[in-house]
Amino acid sequence: AQSVTQLDSQVPVFEEAPVELRCNYSSSVSVYLFWYVQYPNQGLQLLLKYLSGSTLVKGINGFEAEFNKSQTSFHLRKPSVHISDTAEYFCAVTLPGAYKYIFGTGTRLKVLA
Amino acid sequence: GAGVSQSPRYKVAKRGQDVALRCDPISGHVSLFWYQQALGQGPEFLTYFQNEAQLDKSGLPSDRFFAERPEGSVSTLKIQRTQQEDSAVYLCASSSGGQGKNWGNQPQHFGDGTRLSIL
Repeated sequence: AQSVTQLDSQVPVFEEAPVELRCNYSSSVSVYLFWYVQYPNQGLQLLLKYLSGSTLVKGINGFEAEFNKSQTSFHLRKPSVHISDTAEYFCAVTLPGAYKYIFGTGTRLKVLA
Repeated sequence: GAGVSQSPRYKVAKRGQDVALRCDPISGHVSLFWYQQALGQGPEFLTYFQNEAQLDKSGLPSDRFFAERPEGSVSTLKIQRTQQEDSAVYLCASSSGGQGKNWGNQPQHFGDGTRLSIL
């Protein structure tokens, strides 16, 4: 079975600083990986996804993630964060051809002025 | 509408009451999902519909939970005899993906959820 681990429950960072949110997955077969963002009292919005091909994936709002098969990781990065990036970020995994997403427990990013 | 719409946004009920949560998916989306998100946790899968057929209900926590999508569009999640542990945010998602299609290129689009509080 697949699983996702988000190692950091909270990440505080100053505005305009870079940030990395960590995600590790467990699977014996190839997977699809996603990052979603959840603003307060809202649903989840897709930031980016990895299906295959290039391991560096660019998403919306200046975010990018790198798929590393040997380390079974899919860390999310942004070179310069804004106050508006304050939100909860979820990593999710699924199998090709499968519909069920397995989500991590989330990382709360707090951007400080 | 342009996105997935859920109602009500907030629901407070007394323990033992029945509740019904509504989801209006993106027009034309074949697939519809319900998730439960407990406080401080990620969403957990409850059930999946393709059109009007409920193909997977393996995540429903008990037989008090029931979901339907009778005409293949709007869906309702019903919880009978609510208990305090049912308190959570219930998220609905829809996708144009379906059986035989490439799910990866049709990711799930989420509504804003219904926050259910059981007193």
